[in-house]
Amino acid sequence: QVQLVESGGGVVQPGGSLRLSCAASGFTFSSYGMHWVRQAPGKGLEWVAFIRYDGSNKYYADSVKGRFTISRDNSKNTLYLQMNSLRAEDTAVYYCAKEVGSTSFGTLKSWGQGTLVTVSS
Amino acid sequence: DIQMTQSPSTLSASVGDRVTITCRASQSISSWLAWYQQKPGKAPKLLIYKASSLESGVPSRFSGSGSGTEFTLTISSLQPDDFATYYCQQYNSYSPNFGGGTKVEIK
Repeated sequence: QVQLVESGGGVVQPGGSLRLSCAASGFTFSSYGMHWVRQAPGKGLEWVAFIRYDGSNKYYADSVKGRFTISRDNSKNTLYLQMNSLRAEDTAVYYCAKEVGSTSFGTLKSWGQGTLVTVSS
Repeated sequence: DIQMTQSPSTLSASVGDRVTITCRASQSISSWLAWYQQKPGKAPKLLIYKASSLESGVPSRFSGSGSGTEFTLTISSLQPDDFATYYCQQYNSYSPNFGGGTKVEIK
């Protein structure tokens, strides 16, 4: 079955950087678009970024554009989120999620368990 | 950007009740709408996509309807496992976003 396991979260100072990873298994990773979605403590869901199955297209929320970079390594079945210039408002649980279809966009069928990022001095 | 507004933000109901949650988009999104269920400390779970298509394995008491700017999620007979927070999400553009959520509580 589909399994998505995030890692790389932790505590970082404002202005710092962190790289999240999402290890995928149970499906053909190289055939599906992938998303990052975050949830601040006690708040709702916020879409962060998307990458096409082959890495050819990437989209970002305005709140992270220019600071975060989504990427993937299909040979390692792994999705990444490089987060730079972190702010207190980036504190959240970060989820990776798989698209429902190989060429679809926007239907997040499978989710990881999340990794917590805390930006604090 | 398209704004998604859910109502109510909190809903108190009893087991067996029919529950309806509304989601409004600030502009037409055709049928590009999904619904998710989230329980405390857990990842969201896809329930409905393309406004009315039931995700595989989701009980038939869940249904979605609507198009354009107004959408509803209906639970025909609320079960104990259904007490959770529900989110709508539009994907009409390459900047998808979620509604603020509706928490379904035990009355």
